[in-house]
Amino acid sequence: DAKTTQPNSMESNEEEPVHLPCNHSTISGTDYIHWYRQLPSQGPEYVIHGLTSNVNNRMASLAIAEDRKSSTLILHRATLRDAAVYYCILRPIHFGNEKLTFGTGTRLTIIP
Amino acid sequence: GAVVSQHPSRVICKSGTSVKIECRSLDFQATTMFWYRQFPKKSLMLMATSNEGSKATYEQGVEKDKFLINHASLTLSTLTVTSAHPEDSSFYICSAIDGVGTFGSGTRLTVV
Repeated sequence: DAKTTQPNSMESNEEEPVHLPCNHSTISGTDYIHWYRQLPSQGPEYVIHGLTSNVNNRMASLAIAEDRKSSTLILHRATLRDAAVYYCILRPIHFGNEKLTFGTGTRLTIIP
Repeated sequence: GAVVSQHPSRVICKSGTSVKIECRSLDFQATTMFWYRQFPKKSLMLMATSNEGSKATYEQGVEKDKFLINHASLTLSTLTVTSAHPEDSSFYICSAIDGVGTFGSGTRLTVV
């Protein structure tokens, strides 16, 4: 599995934008970039995914570098409920029922 | 969206007893489900892949006779922790793929 690297922790002020980086220098051309987050004492939840172009949904935006070796999850206006561990995961394009392999993720703390 | 229901959310059992955890896909069929274990402040570690109608595939180092997995239908997989010991105390999470990963809310197992 291609590896991702994320900072262990980040802090952000409430109501400010948050940029969570992920490096994936060994990404292959057929890997999607997925982001999940895990709130305290809960299972992970899907946030967003993309292949090459930037993506937006109601939860977040995903900015993908032109060479695809890095990506950034953007929370436009952080709230206290966004405090979680965020995981960046690569999945093959024909993933079917392929397992998700979790790295260490980034623990995001939101400061009121 | 897709929902995975996991029960119980919390269980305390005596050392030497067995505990069963259920994982159901509520609005989609899942021929494959995944079982993870998570220790405090750590990432999710895949334990096994549950395959409907066939044997589960266990990750290296996971005792298949201790962690029994049954996937008898397209919407239900169960994990039974047999002869539980305090070191089995952990947060167990199931998952299925419906386009993207969908996770149960987790089961906190405490063995006393």
